[in-house]
Amino acid sequence: GESVGLHLPTLSVQEGDNSIINCAYSNSASDYFIWYKQESGKGPQFIIDIRSNMDKRQGQRVTVLLNKTVKHLSLQIAATQPGDSAVYFCAETHTGGFKTIFGAGTRLFVKA
Amino acid sequence: NAGVTQTPKFQVLKTGQSMTLQCAQDMNHNSMYWYRQDPGMGLRLIYYSASEGTTDKGEVPNGYNVSRLNKREFSLRLESAAPSQTSVYFCASSERTGGSANEKLFFGSGTQLSVL
Repeated sequence: GESVGLHLPTLSVQEGDNSIINCAYSNSASDYFIWYKQESGKGPQFIIDIRSNMDKRQGQRVTVLLNKTVKHLSLQIAATQPGDSAVYFCAETHTGGFKTIFGAGTRLFVKA
Repeated sequence: NAGVTQTPKFQVLKTGQSMTLQCAQDMNHNSMYWYRQDPGMGLRLIYYSASEGTTDKGEVPNGYNVSRLNKREFSLRLESAAPSQTSVYFCASSERTGGSANEKLFFGSGTQLSVL
């Protein structure tokens, strides 16, 4: 069945360093990918998205890379800050569908 | 602008009791969703409503019912709660209309439910 998985359950980085969170997906029909951030006690919040016709998309301090050949997605956070500490989920869906499939999440710890 | 509002925030039930989780959004979104979140399993879709008047099953619908009361409100009902339904429940909404590309989800703050 469809699944979205993550390579690492936890990631610890030093404040100011760059963070890279990885994700693998299995559904070739997926054409839209999203990263969400979830802080403790809150619902997931949209960070950045990318469509399958793109390889890279940049936002403010965040970049998402998509490699369709190996079905891999990554989120890069530049100059990681304490406020970036959270659980990050990758998610996939396809245009015309209503079901978004979430990965298990990666917890990011930022050390001061 | 409140976004997506869920009530209650916390609830404890005994096995066999029933309850309804309420959700409302003020963004005029077409689609609404109920997810559950269990440790290490990410979020799993229970039910969704693509538009007012329609509802469909997600990945884990057993033991739940939903009602899309109007465009703003989408409720989730547990008829006979079981310990396996202990979880954090999130309501979400999106502009998604099925043929469009606006699939970004907006989530509420969640309901933590414990079934003893």
